[in-house]
Amino acid sequence: GAVVSQHPSWVICKSGTSVKIECRSLDFQATTMFWYRQFPKQSLMLMATSNEGSKATYEQGVEKDKFLINHASLTLSTLTVTSAHPEDSSFYICSASRQGRNYGYTFGSGTRLTVV
Amino acid sequence: GESVGLHLPTLSVQEGDNSIINCAYSNSASDYFIWYKQESGKGPQFIIDIRSNMDKRQGQRVTVLLNKTVKHLSLQIAATQPGDSAVYFCAEKKSGGNKLVFGAGTILRVKS
Repeated sequence: GAVVSQHPSWVICKSGTSVKIECRSLDFQATTMFWYRQFPKQSLMLMATSNEGSKATYEQGVEKDKFLINHASLTLSTLTVTSAHPEDSSFYICSASRQGRNYGYTFGSGTRLTVV
Repeated sequence: GESVGLHLPTLSVQEGDNSIINCAYSNSASDYFIWYKQESGKGPQFIIDIRSNMDKRQGQRVTVLLNKTVKHLSLQIAATQPGDSAVYFCAEKKSGGNKLVFGAGTILRVKS
């Protein structure tokens, strides 16, 4: 089956630093990847949609300069949280949509980011 | 971003009973719906899906019902087991698009 690997699973960083989260589709080509964030006891909130080789489309209210998304290949997308602050602490989850497959979404295992 | 940032309601059921988890979706133009199970600290796990041209779909121990008239989705779990304890989310995809938007979610607690 389709597998999406997300790393790191958790990270602690200091305020003002940047953190990169990777999302890889291991056994399929992902033309589209989605990034979500999830606060404790809340639902997943879509942050942005990225298509391979093009700029990401951000949801309303999500700062594109703060959450940099790169989707340089069909198997890798990265989310960089720049100049992180404690309020950026959250659970970040990626999802990959399979090329040539309608309605196929595979989720990564998530990254717990704590900014201190 | 899209989604509902509400605190999650809880459904407590006795082991062996049937569970019904409900979801009100937001967009009448949505054409595809998925139920996910999420355990603590993990990503969502696919349970079952349904397209808008159907009103019922069954899987192993699970059934999804779709009522487009009132924009309501439900997940029925038969003979609920302790391993079913998790948070359950519905998600919808708008026709013509590919974004998956999540609903509010429900915590399911199974009592032994």
